[in-house]
Amino acid sequence: GAGVSQSPRYKVAKRGQDVALRCDPISGHVSLFWYQQALGQGPEFLTYFQNEAQLDKSGLPSDRFFAERPEGSVSTLKIQRTQQEDSAVYLCASSRWGYGYTFGSGTRLTVV
Amino acid sequence: KNQVEQSPQSLIILEGKNCTLQCNYTVSPFSNLRWYKQDTGRGPVSLTIMTFSENTKSNGRYTATLDADTKQSSLHITASQLSDSASYICVVSGANNNDMRFGAGTRLTVKP
Repeated sequence: GAGVSQSPRYKVAKRGQDVALRCDPISGHVSLFWYQQALGQGPEFLTYFQNEAQLDKSGLPSDRFFAERPEGSVSTLKIQRTQQEDSAVYLCASSRWGYGYTFGSGTRLTVV
Repeated sequence: KNQVEQSPQSLIILEGKNCTLQCNYTVSPFSNLRWYKQDTGRGPVSLTIMTFSENTKSNGRYTATLDADTKQSSLHITASQLSDSASYICVVSGANNNDMRFGAGTRLTVKP
């Protein structure tokens, strides 16, 4: 596609529910990032993939967060047993060679 | 402490006026600095990117400057338009292009 596509755009989850957020990067983009953005704040790094390899997951806040990119294209960020503090916008970005980055519009997660 | 500090936190200006946003960073080593514009409910969109050797870069009415010695950057917006209302985020990359540190952003509101 022409850009990075994220789905769903909005997700409301009950506390304790598991959620899965999807990112479709630009075709051919090797690098893929996930960020968490709280209201009024800049994005915070969660994890980074190069093709299917997860090279850095140091930003994942707890073991409830899990990301995968099994075929080196689409990525899924999974959050288990969601908590209220997980409420944020989750942004995905992709890049061909780690220079120009394109962000998706994000998924706004609200945990009630 | 965040390695990328932006000021002001928010700014309100009248349509047609100019403004300057500031970014100070402590990221070292330094690879490049980017300014992004983030409209409400959208992902960040790249405005400019500067490497160590570049002092200034323009993109239409946006002009970014960089002083790598003092670790400061500014984003100057000329003849502001209502559509400039957004958050402007400064992102500094360390030795690795993929190691991006985000500022919290400046929220700009342009009023008619």
